[in-house]
Amino acid sequence: KNEVEQSPQNLTAQEGEFITINCSYSVGISALHWLQQHPGGGIVSLFMLSSGKKKHGRLIATINIQEKHSSLHITASHPRDSAVYICAVRDGATNKLIFGTGTLLAVQP
Amino acid sequence: NAGVTQTPKFRILKIGQSMTLQCTQDMNHNYMYWYRQDPGMGLKLIYYSVGAGITDKGEVPNGYNVSRSTTEDFPLRLELAAPSQTSVYFCASSYPATENYGYTFGSGTRLTVV
Repeated sequence: KNEVEQSPQNLTAQEGEFITINCSYSVGISALHWLQQHPGGGIVSLFMLSSGKKKHGRLIATINIQEKHSSLHITASHPRDSAVYICAVRDGATNKLIFGTGTLLAVQP
Repeated sequence: NAGVTQTPKFRILKIGQSMTLQCTQDMNHNYMYWYRQDPGMGLKLIYYSVGAGITDKGEVPNGYNVSRSTTEDFPLRLELAAPSQTSVYFCASSYPATENYGYTFGSGTRLTVV
């Protein structure tokens, strides 16, 4: 079992829909990151969380440390949101990043 | 600021050839990392460095070498390329002056070994 699990692996949505991507982890962490990767492109950091909730534009990230779970929400989704969304946790013991395998999101017009 | 710059963006190597993937950052970050990304897998750490002159192995270091002579540069060397090294490589940097620090990634190098 991977230390960082994301669900779903693939997600297709219609433009305007509310989207949720989930991340569960099994190690003690000092922070959790949500990253975005467009096809053939680089990786961009969206959020870094150690508790609570953060919002940036139409993106919202939440984390529940006790349940070892985080969610990334996209409101009013748009085709330009189509990308792979990656959850990564910073292991509290080793300080290394452990990555999930990503969620491939396709938003159709 | 340019952030993290990787070159080249694409490369095809023959088995047994060698090459160096370049990575430069202009943010004065002391931590730098090399990751590889394989289809269906999460990024795996190859090597990392916590400052000039200091490097250490990650999860998948075999077949690779690194050096860190300056704060800015962290090149990754493949000495004898093998098909198993076909992957997308990402360089990243961070500055852990405080407990909650972020990461900046380069745009990636897509390497094919044939």
